[in-house]
Amino acid sequence: NAGVTQTPKFQVLKTGQSMTLQCAQDMNHEYMSWYRQDPGMGLRLIHYSVGAGITDQGEVPNGYNVSRSTTEDFPLRLLSAAPSQTSVYFCASRNSGNTIYFGEGSWLTVV
Amino acid sequence: AQSVTQLDSHVSVSEGTPVLLRCNYSSSYSPSLFWYVQHPNKGLQLLLKYTSAATLVKGINGFEAEFKKSETSFHLTKPSAHMSDAAEYFCVVSVGGSQGNLIFGKGTKLSVKP
Repeated sequence: NAGVTQTPKFQVLKTGQSMTLQCAQDMNHEYMSWYRQDPGMGLRLIHYSVGAGITDQGEVPNGYNVSRSTTEDFPLRLLSAAPSQTSVYFCASRNSGNTIYFGEGSWLTVV
Repeated sequence: AQSVTQLDSHVSVSEGTPVLLRCNYSSSYSPSLFWYVQHPNKGLQLLLKYTSAATLVKGINGFEAEFKKSETSFHLTKPSAHMSDAAEYFCVVSVGGSQGNLIFGKGTKLSVKP
């Protein structure tokens, strides 16, 4: 049972490049979400999904896209990376008992 | 709307002394409340959660928290700090059950002195 798996763990991008952060869970959870963590800010919600085919915006969605074609996968796309997107990104899923499972994080630097 | 305020950005204690990390919340509905811990360069680990059962919640590693509705607080405590407790702690509120979004506090960094 792998839980929530995020890849890559570390990435350096140039301004303007695009990339996708992958997130997969093997627990059959309907709810999945992406957060970014910045110093002194806690975690802020980027996008979330309550099931396959359903996504919605969180607190800080600009510059990011998501899709949910399967229950297992919830990729986060950076369309044109900016230095302000340098952050640590966490994917999470939640079960019906309201227990949340986080991935190990993805450290992204945009230069 | 719901919100979470962690009252201290940094707490420093000596090993063997009690730990108190303070959290106040604001919610129009009955919230679920969580405490998470994050060690440097690591992911988040659930310490404990409150979901309208017993108001005193026991978690892992000797931590516990008490839900006080009248004070809208959910403070995290531990009787005796250990060096391995040094980390950042996040108080989190959720409204709407398993479909509700999480609102994170800004975190409290706990330092433990030998």
